[in-house]
Amino acid sequence: AQSVTQLDSQVPVFEEAPVELRCNYSSSVSVYLFWYVQYPNQGLQLLLKYLSGSTLVESINGFEAEFNKSQTSFHLRKPSVHISDTAEYFCAVRISSNTGKLIFGQGTTLQVKP
Amino acid sequence: DADVTQTPRNRITKTGKRIMLECSQTKGHDRMYWYRQDPGLGLRLIYYSFDVKDINKGEISDGYSVSRQAQAKFSLSLESAIPNQTALYFCATSDYQAEQFFGPGTRLTVL
Repeated sequence: AQSVTQLDSQVPVFEEAPVELRCNYSSSVSVYLFWYVQYPNQGLQLLLKYLSGSTLVESINGFEAEFNKSQTSFHLRKPSVHISDTAEYFCAVRISSNTGKLIFGQGTTLQVKP
Repeated sequence: DADVTQTPRNRITKTGKRIMLECSQTKGHDRMYWYRQDPGLGLRLIYYSFDVKDINKGEISDGYSVSRQAQAKFSLSLESAIPNQTALYFCATSDYQAEQFFGPGTRLTVL
């Protein structure tokens, strides 16, 4: 069975510092990978996704994630965070041959401090 | 206007009551999903539907039922609510091989 592990439940960081949110998955078949962000009292929004092609994917607000097949990881990074990045971040995996079900990690709360 | 809407946004009810949560979408997607979110557990799939005649159980379907009234509408029911069903519930939609789009969520409290 597939699973997703987000290694940190909370990540506190100061504004303008770099951050990495870790995500590992287990699957014996090829997958699609997603990062979603949930701002306080809101629903989930797609941040970025890996379907195929370049293993480094970027979002419009400065986040990036790299698909590492050998390490089965899809870590999320940002070189300099803002207060507005404070949110909960979810990693999710979908089996590429499957018809749409997502498996979510437990979530990581990013707390950006001034 | 939002692509995926959920009603109500907040609901407080008592143990044993029947509750229906509704979801509507204007994205024209065939696939719809219901999740619940609990702190520290991420999102877990309750039910999903690939079209009006196709309903499937997710990993935590016990105590829940669904109805797909039309392509755009997917309702989740709790026949007899219990306190451990207190959670944040999300509806989502998707097209084939695309990401899922989420509604704003319904916060349900069962006393």
